[in-house]
Amino acid sequence: DTEVTQTPKHLVMGMTNKKSLKCEQHMGHRAMYWYKQKAKKPPELMFVYSYEKLSINESVPSRFSPECPNSSLLNLHLHALQPEDSALYLCASSQAYSGQPQHFGDGTRLSIL
Amino acid sequence: QQQVKQSPQSLIVQKGGISIINCAYENTAFDYFPWYQQFPGKGPALLIAIRPDVSEKKEGRFTISFNKSAKQFSLHIMDSQPGDSATYFCAASGNTGTASKLTFGTGTRLQVTL
Repeated sequence: DTEVTQTPKHLVMGMTNKKSLKCEQHMGHRAMYWYKQKAKKPPELMFVYSYEKLSINESVPSRFSPECPNSSLLNLHLHALQPEDSALYLCASSQAYSGQPQHFGDGTRLSIL
Repeated sequence: QQQVKQSPQSLIVQKGGISIINCAYENTAFDYFPWYQQFPGKGPALLIAIRPDVSEKKEGRFTISFNKSAKQFSLHIMDSQPGDSATYFCAASGNTGTASKLTFGTGTRLQVTL
């Protein structure tokens, strides 16, 4: 079992739907990350939160909206997604300074109809 | 300059053999080099990591060799087992202040045969 928990494990949504992905960690980490992973590709960084503040946005389209309500939770709000957004969305956490191991959840498999 | 190049793309090794995966980087500001193992349907799991002040690190059957002057590092899996069959990603990160921004290699699919 991973120490980073993501829900739901699978999500199918239409292009007009609004949904949210959730991530939770209880390791006391103050940095949290969202990644997108396509099949047979490495994870691609989307967003980084440090001390509950957005510190890195890798030019992600506005149809993805991250939120960090507290130090243990990270959400990714989805709206008007495109079929090419179908992917595995991974959450990770780490200590909030450079060179620290990131711990990943098992992801949410998202399919856009 | 942010890329991490990984090879081979795929690898087939017999049970008991040695699996070797290589990575190279350009950015000399990178100061942390982890390896991740990913099974189908799972997230990447940290396997082993090294910092550039060390040339080798061993944990069980897994060893990282690091060559700072060549800007290369490699993962060696000794006595490879079928349960090691997975995708392996090398990664590198530099000083971003309050977070650890990873740059991943392209991945190596390892298959260990009986």
